[in-house]
Amino acid sequence: NAGVMQNPRHLVRRRGQEARLRCSPMKGHSHVYWYRQLPEEGLKFMVYLQKENIIDESGMPKERFSAEFPKEGPSILRIQQVVRGDSAAYFCASSPPVWETQYFGPGTRLLVL
Amino acid sequence: KQEVTQIPAALSVPEGENLVLNCSFTDSAIYNLQWFRQDPGKGLTSLLLIQSSQREQTSGRLNASLDKSSGRSTLYIAASQPGDSATYLCAVRTGANNLFFGTGTRLTVIP
Repeated sequence: NAGVMQNPRHLVRRRGQEARLRCSPMKGHSHVYWYRQLPEEGLKFMVYLQKENIIDESGMPKERFSAEFPKEGPSILRIQQVVRGDSAAYFCASSPPVWETQYFGPGTRLLVL
Repeated sequence: KQEVTQIPAALSVPEGENLVLNCSFTDSAIYNLQWFRQDPGKGLTSLLLIQSSQREQTSGRLNASLDKSSGRSTLYIAASQPGDSATYLCAVRTGANNLFFGTGTRLTVIP
């Protein structure tokens, strides 16, 4: 059973471009969480999704950020018109029933030039 | 709002020493607490999960305790090894949706 997969592992974008981060949860997991880790800071919750539904996006910046988890395919975190402050490691986690342990992917490190 | 603090921020110990990492949280209404390990440039590996009704969990050389009423948890590592060098993160779950993380303790075990 493969773990949580994230790609790309590293992503470089220029200011104003779009960044698309993908997350494939573990097999059998229908709950996906996205976290952001800014340099020298702890992980901060962004959004929680189930298949085709956003359950909680209270940690998501109001503008430029969006997330989806379609019926088929990976979860996508999309950042439009990136700025330098978006440079961070973005981690995805998945779980089966919501009270269970969250399993984390290796992260995508986004660098905005 | 839940805040999680980890002390110390960094720790260096000689190989073989026993050590304790500390985690405190401000809102004691938690469902569980989890300790993770993060290696440089890598993802998070779950080490131990303690449910709110439990006092401690053990896995090999690791022992985690939870005192919910005082808002504290400790991670005890016995007979430390260089391979234990990593950043250790504490996270609490206060609702269904997300974990609140501390900023971590960066551990270096010197051979």
